[in-house]
Amino acid sequence: DQQVKQNSPSLSVQEGRISILNCDYTNSMFDYFLWYKKYPAEGPTFLISISSIKDKNEDGRFTVFLNKSAKHLSLHIVPSQPGDSAVYFCAASAQEGAQKLVFGQGTRLTINP
Amino acid sequence: DAGITQSPRHKVTETGTPVTLRCHQTENHRYMYWYRQDPGHGLRLIHYSYGVKDTDKGEVSDGYSVSRSKTEDFLLTLESATSSQTSVYFCAISGSGGSNEKLFFGSGTQLSVL
Repeated sequence: DQQVKQNSPSLSVQEGRISILNCDYTNSMFDYFLWYKKYPAEGPTFLISISSIKDKNEDGRFTVFLNKSAKHLSLHIVPSQPGDSAVYFCAASAQEGAQKLVFGQGTRLTINP
Repeated sequence: DAGITQSPRHKVTETGTPVTLRCHQTENHRYMYWYRQDPGHGLRLIHYSYGVKDTDKGEVSDGYSVSRSKTEDFLLTLESATSSQTSVYFCAISGSGGSNEKLFFGSGTQLSVL
């Protein structure tokens, strides 16, 4: 049973436009959410996170929104750049610790010039 | 970049043979993790360690064992490799095991079991 779902395997966006990546979760105990970015032949790298006490967190071009009632989070990238082309994983954890971190399946984002 | 080295980077082996993957860190982090990445599944935790000689199972631990004899090294062993263990394996580290802790990942090992 997939507790964290990224229902779009891929997304294609024009350079300069907004990219919106979505993630849904089922476990109401999750209280911390993270986004990781992965380039080919490299390991994932941390991008941005949000605690369940917030509904928005911003870092430069990247903003994560959390809707707890809908159990949904999204990552907005504005403006999208070619270097943003990568696979994006959302992840969620509960109080038990990082060893209980649950990842989504990933969304491959392609930014077209 | 976090000092994490995985070896080998690529490995092709035959069904039934033993395989050991190595993760070496220079950050002196207490926690180390082994994940596998498969299409449609994202990253799934195999085993993790919270200190020297202290390890525990993750979500997909069957067929795998681990050992941590030094803070800097975490070994993943497939005792008898099967084709279902063909995957990309990532090692990760964190300073503490807190739920809000960021993980730092190595570059991965592509393992093919024929």
